[in-house]
Amino acid sequence: ETGVTQSPTHLIKTRGQQVTLRCSSQSGHNTVSWYQQALGQGPQFIFQYYREEENGRGNFPPRFSGLQFPNYSSELNVNALELDDSALYLCASSLDSSYGYTFGSGTRLTVV
Amino acid sequence: KQEVTQIPAALSVPEGENLVLNCSFTDSAIYNLQWFRQDPGKGLTSLLLIQSSQREQTSGRLNASLDKSSGRSTLYIAASQPGDSATYLCAVIPGGYQKVTFGTGTKLQVIP
Repeated sequence: ETGVTQSPTHLIKTRGQQVTLRCSSQSGHNTVSWYQQALGQGPQFIFQYYREEENGRGNFPPRFSGLQFPNYSSELNVNALELDDSALYLCASSLDSSYGYTFGSGTRLTVV
Repeated sequence: KQEVTQIPAALSVPEGENLVLNCSFTDSAIYNLQWFRQDPGKGLTSLLLIQSSQREQTSGRLNASLDKSSGRSTLYIAASQPGDSATYLCAVIPGGYQKVTFGTGTKLQVIP
């Protein structure tokens, strides 16, 4: 098991730009989900992928999009960045919800 | 809509004390509940996973219980240490790969 790894660890972008965050899931985990965590808040569910198909989405606009690849890696793309998008973005993977979720260390995105 | 509340929001205790963190949820139709620890600016570290068929789980000085009928879970930390200082989050996991809902966390400070 190699755990969940995210890249980059920190990122600074300008309002209006686009960003791609990456996640490498734990080997064999066919479910990956992404969360946004604002300072002092609990993580908020963005969306989830199961076997490369989106199968759940939270209250986030369409400019938040994602992909999951056959090699257990995934991406979170955010277009037209806004200042309020500044947050810690967390990726989590799971083999099955019976086993719970394993989280990565997150990407700290700052939009200026 | 599932809502998860954690009380207290913050807690400061002297080293060596036993303490209880509370998590309540509004929809008892959950599958599992998972407790996490988060250090400042870092990702989530899984502490304990309680499956729906279980009442409690133990790991070292940590014990978590789950009462689905009353919508409550507690995390008990025995003989607290300064290294336990962190934010503790509970996450309610529904079945069928639906979205995980987090509480806003309890920020714990253990004073030497």
